Amino acid sequence: SQQGEEDPQALSIQEGENATMNCSYKTSINNLQWYRQNSGRGLVHLILIRSNEREKHSGRLRVTLDTSKKSSSLLITASRAADTASYFCATDAGGTSYGKLTFGQGTILTVHP
Amino acid sequence: GAGVSQSPSNKVTEKGKDVELRCDPISGHTALYWYRQSLGQGLEFLIYFQGNSAPDKSGLPSDRFSAERTGGSVSTLTIQRTQQEDSAVYLCASSLAIAGGTDTQYFGPGTRLTVL
Repeated sequence: SQQGEEDPQALSIQEGENATMNCSYKTSINNLQWYRQNSGRGLVHLILIRSNEREKHSGRLRVTLDTSKKSSSLLITASRAADTASYFCATDAGGTSYGKLTFGQGTILTVHP
Repeated sequence: GAGVSQSPSNKVTEKGKDVELRCDPISGHTALYWYRQSLGQGLEFLIYFQGNSAPDKSGLPSDRFSAERTGGSVSTLTIQRTQQEDSAVYLCASSLAIAGGTDTQYFGPGTRLTVL
């Protein structure tokens, strides 16, 4: 079963604009990770944020985590056509579930040149 | 270095046949994971290996599914008597499995299984 929900399900923007995707989850987590998937194949790890962190940056990516609201957001700044992909959040509950990722349904991002 | 590799990349089989899917993790990664991605169910966890043992098999959908890992490296996911609902992309991931810490999983390109 899916842990989280992502919104929007689909997002269409122009190159240069920012893209924001949101993820909500249901149970306590050890960490939350964001992945990108092109053409329905392998997942590429983007960023990991621990439960005791609130914000993390990596290049044009900014991730926030609000454990009180059980939500996270991924911001891609100055988007490029190459950013077109599906984006998934995944939670790791830790403990006996350590390493078992539970994925959201994903957001399909389309960046128009 | 080389990433996670999976074979075959595509597999078409007839209903009722058995299939074997292979995963080669990143060298030195002790943890290995299998996931399944299908249109109806999204991305689902199947099984997790730490070394050669599988502490968590909770995601295997039925007893037709089994997996093994030998030598702490290569893993094989076997589906017996395949059904059409088994059609999906099967993804493998590996990680260093840092004890007590947080860990990044690196995914392979997946095997697309089609059961006719």
